[in-house]
Amino acid sequence: AQSVTQPDIHITVSEGASLELRCNYSYGATPYLFWYVQSPGQGLQLLLKYFSGDTLVQGIKGFEAEFKRSQSSFNLRKPSVHWSDAAEYFCAVGGSGGYQKVTFGTGTKLQVIP
Amino acid sequence: DTGVSQDPRHKITKRGQNVTFRCDPISEHNRLYWYRQTLGQGPEFLTYFQNEAQLEKSRLLSDRFSAERPKGSFSTLEIQRTEQGDSAMYLCASSLPGSGGNTIYFGEGSWLTVV
Repeated sequence: AQSVTQPDIHITVSEGASLELRCNYSYGATPYLFWYVQSPGQGLQLLLKYFSGDTLVQGIKGFEAEFKRSQSSFNLRKPSVHWSDAAEYFCAVGGSGGYQKVTFGTGTKLQVIP
Repeated sequence: DTGVSQDPRHKITKRGQNVTFRCDPISEHNRLYWYRQTLGQGPEFLTYFQNEAQLEKSRLLSDRFSAERPKGSFSTLEIQRTEQGDSAMYLCASSLPGSGGNTIYFGEGSWLTVV
């Protein structure tokens, strides 16, 4: 069964500092990998996705993520955090062959301090 | 551009009542998903449709839950005899799988509070 682990429940960073959110996945074949962001009371917005090709993917709002097959990881990064980035971030994994449901991690809540 | 829309956005109901949520996917998307999210958790898969066919249901989806997508367009999720444990946000999502993968786009969610 596929699964996602986000080891950090809560992260606090200063505005302007760099950010890395960790994600480890378990999946038997080549995965589809996603990062979504959710503001309080809202739905999920797609930040970026990895299906194949270049293992460093760029997303919206200045985010990027790197797929490392050997480490089963897909960590999200941003070089300089803005106060508006405060939200909850979810990593997700889905199958690459036909339909497979997308399984989410439990999320990392990001707090940005001035 | 119309994304995934859900209605109602908020619903408060008494325990034992039935509730129904509606989801309108992105127009050309043939796949439609329902997820449930409780506070502090990630979304949990409930069920999925390809066109009008319901292809998978999670064990989370008890007999009190039923979902339909009668014409392969909008979908409804009905919860019968609601219980307090049903209080959650119900998220609908849609996708159109292709050579570029299968990206799921979510609606804003429907909050259910059972009192």
